[in-house]
Amino acid sequence: EIVLTQSPGTLSLSPGETATLSCRASQRISSTYLAWFQQKPGQAPRLLIHAASSRATGIPDRFSGSGSGTDFTLTISRLEPEDFAVYFCHQYGSLPWTFGQGTKLEI
Amino acid sequence: QVQLQESGPGLVKPSETLSLTCTVSGGSVSLSSYYWGWIRQPPGKGLEWIGSIYYNGNTNYNPSLKSRVTISLDTSNNQFSLKLSSVTAADTAVYFCARVVDGYVLIPFDYWGQGTLVTVSS
Repeated sequence: EIVLTQSPGTLSLSPGETATLSCRASQRISSTYLAWFQQKPGQAPRLLIHAASSRATGIPDRFSGSGSGTDFTLTISRLEPEDFAVYFCHQYGSLPWTFGQGTKLEI
Repeated sequence: QVQLQESGPGLVKPSETLSLTCTVSGGSVSLSSYYWGWIRQPPGKGLEWIGSIYYNGNTNYNPSLKSRVTISLDTSNNQFSLKLSSVTAADTAVYFCARVVDGYVLIPFDYWGQGTLVTVSS
């Protein structure tokens, strides 16, 4: 099983700043199979990025993904108030599919 | 617009079987372009993939749950279902159903149900 470790656990920033979230895998992942989700309290997760760097439909270009191998990054530029949420990385290239433990982005 | 909706009991007794159904609207569960999955989230914790089912009924399960999980497809009602047997308090979670796009590019969980809380308690 591929274990995904996200850092930091909590990130405290202000609107307008840039957030950099990290996801490290215990084994190499093909970039084709790394995704990022955003989750707000009481809601289902929302797909932001798939294939490491492809934005999902309707996701603003403030959200960008990068990385390869075992190290991946989600960058959120010009933070908006609605961006403060929990973010999960997810690998779907190797069974069982797994998720990181999450990074909470707080004001 | 694709919509998914989970339904089923919100309270299950220990050792019994949890049964949930996901009803899909705005799209067909029979199309080969998609497959369908269940994910759960214990209160205040992270996400766990339970398993997935393909348009032809083939399944993949998380090994940690495999001995207790069954996912099935009901094409006549455009639904898919989850059964988890011998539940314990550790199975208390919000259960989500979601869609995977299996086309030129594999896109995981682009549409989700709202989730349903299942509590295991006597």
